[in-house]
Order: sequence, then C-alpha cells, then structure tokens
Amino acid sequence: LAKTTQPISMDSYEGQEVNITCSHNNIATNDYITWYQQFPSQGPRFIIQGYKTKVTNEVASLFIPADRKSSTLSLPRVSLSDTAVYYCLVGDMDQAGTALIFGKGTTLSVSS
Amino acid sequence: DAGVTQSPTHLIKTRGQQVTLRCSPKSGHDTVSWYQQALGQGPQFIFQYYEEEERQRGNFPDRFSGHQFPNYSSELNVNALLLGDSALYLCASSLGRASNQPQHFGDGTRLSIL
Repeated sequence: LAKTTQPISMDSYEGQEVNITCSHNNIATNDYITWYQQFPSQGPRFIIQGYKTKVTNEVASLFIPADRKSSTLSLPRVSLSDTAVYYCLVGDMDQAGTALIFGKGTTLSVSS
Repeated sequence: DAGVTQSPTHLIKTRGQQVTLRCSPKSGHDTVSWYQQALGQGPQFIFQYYEEEERQRGNFPDRFSGHQFPNYSSELNVNALLLGDSALYLCASSLGRASNQPQHFGDGTRLSIL
C-alpha cells in the first residue's frame, strides 16, 4: 500500500475554503484515493473517494492531477463543525475489503 | 438503515484480564475489519473477517483473536490485557465482493486498562 504524507495541522476561519493536500508518490495503478473524517470519540466517516481528475459530492471535492502522485481535498465554506481529523488513504479498493492504512491525519481547526 | 454498531461503548479492565468486544456490520455488508486507535494516533489494522474466516492480519500478537458469525457479526477477543491495550477499538464493515465500496466504521469501544 502506498504511503501518504499530509500536513499535521491546519487552521481556518468559518466560511473559508480549506484545501488539504496529500502526497502519495508511490501510488499503484489499481490504487484509489480515499478521505475519511474523524471527530473525537467517534469512528472515521467516509468523505470522498476518487481515482483520477475530479470528484465532487455534497460534502467535498477531490482533485487528482494526471500523475496521481498527490491529491487535494477541498472543503467549501467550512463551519465550526468541520473541526476534525482528516485522513488520506491510498489502496487497491478493487480487492475485497482492503485493510486501510491510516497515518496521523491532518487536524483541522476552524475558528469563528 | 442501521450502520455499524459496537458494544459496549466503554469498558474498564485490569491487567491480565480478558475482554470481548462485539460488532454488528452495516446491513448488507459481509466483511468486518477491526482497528485499534491509541490516543492521538490513526487507527491501526488488527485483522479482517470474511466468510467466517480471518483473511488478513496486521502486526498484532496472538493475544488478539476474533470470530465472525454466520450473520456476519463479529467479536474481538483480547487475552492477558496489558496497559498498552488501552485504546479505542473500531469495527468497520464493507461489502467484500464489491469494488470501490468504502468501509463504514462504528463509533468504537473505549477500553481502559488499569
């Protein structure tokens, strides 16, 4: 499984757009990029997953350049409730029940 | 549609004891994975069960064992508890044969070892 590197922490204010970049230089052909969000004392919650280009859902957008060696999670107009830890994971999601490898994630702090 | 449920939510044990944690997967899911999350760290993969068999295992000692039942629910057993076993234990479920399906996590069991 490809190793990922992301910032330890980020600070933002309510209403701003937040972009969290993840590096995964050794990503394999079959690997997908998945982001999870975790609040204290809760399990990680799936945010978004992509393979290439751009993916958008009601919560976030995921931008993946052509070489796929990095990806950027974009959270539009964050609120205080977006304060959480965000994990970037890379793995072959075509394999049944891939074991997820988490790093320390990015702690996002949103202030008013 | 019920998500992943875990029980109990909190548990306190002493060193040397044994503990059993339980997990019911999200409806329609057949694969269950267990993770250990120490304070301030990301979750670490323990093992995964599919079709009632352990399919993958992370770097955890044999004191950690599990079981999956015919209804896809699962148990995590830890023997000879150590202080270092204090952590949040997370269960995640997924649909084993489907591609690109994300794992869904429960809110975990907080295990404290005294």
